[in-house]
Amino acid sequence: LAKTTQPISMDSYEGQEVNITCSHNNIATNDYITWYQQFPSQGPRFIIQGYKTKVTNEVASLFIPADRKSSTLSLPRVSLSDTAVYYCLVGGALMDTGRRALTFGSGTRLQVQP
Amino acid sequence: EAQVTQNPRYLITVTGKKLTVTCSQNMNHEYMSWYRQDPGLGLRQIYYSMNVEVTDKGDVPEGYKVSRKEKRNFPLILESPSPNQTSLYFCASTLGARGEQFFGPGTRLTVL
Repeated sequence: LAKTTQPISMDSYEGQEVNITCSHNNIATNDYITWYQQFPSQGPRFIIQGYKTKVTNEVASLFIPADRKSSTLSLPRVSLSDTAVYYCLVGGALMDTGRRALTFGSGTRLQVQP
Repeated sequence: EAQVTQNPRYLITVTGKKLTVTCSQNMNHEYMSWYRQDPGLGLRQIYYSMNVEVTDKGDVPEGYKVSRKEKRNFPLILESPSPNQTSLYFCASTLGARGEQFFGPGTRLTVL
């Protein structure tokens, strides 16, 4: 299974761009990379998903280099409401064993200050 | 409204007393998962199911059982709960293993 590593915490100020990087050195060929946001006492919520290069939606961008061993979630102009824990998830590939497991990173706690 | 529901939301029990946490989704999703979340460890997958009658172990399956008799339901069973299973549990469903996962509201379990 792809193991992921993220920074434990990050601090930012309102209006700044925040980049959170996830390392996943043993990502499988067919694995996708997905990012989730979680507020206290709630289930995680989908932000963005990608396979390679760059993906952008209305709330974030996801940058994936050619070797796919890492990925960076970019949040433009954060606000106080973006204070949350962000998880990188790698997986989904049908493994040689027939398994299709998913492995979350340990999460990055983002604190946005006024 | 598309949603994943879990019951109960909170449960305090004692060691060895069998319990079941139910999970249901109304989106006709094939792939469902159970996760546990512990401080500093993020979310760890316990079991997953790719479809009816197809289940497999995740990263931390010991002490848990699951079943998938219907597409919408994916109960988590603790035959003999122990204190180290005290945790916050989330059920999730997705159309395929790579798609967006929809998470339930969570079940906070305390085993005394």
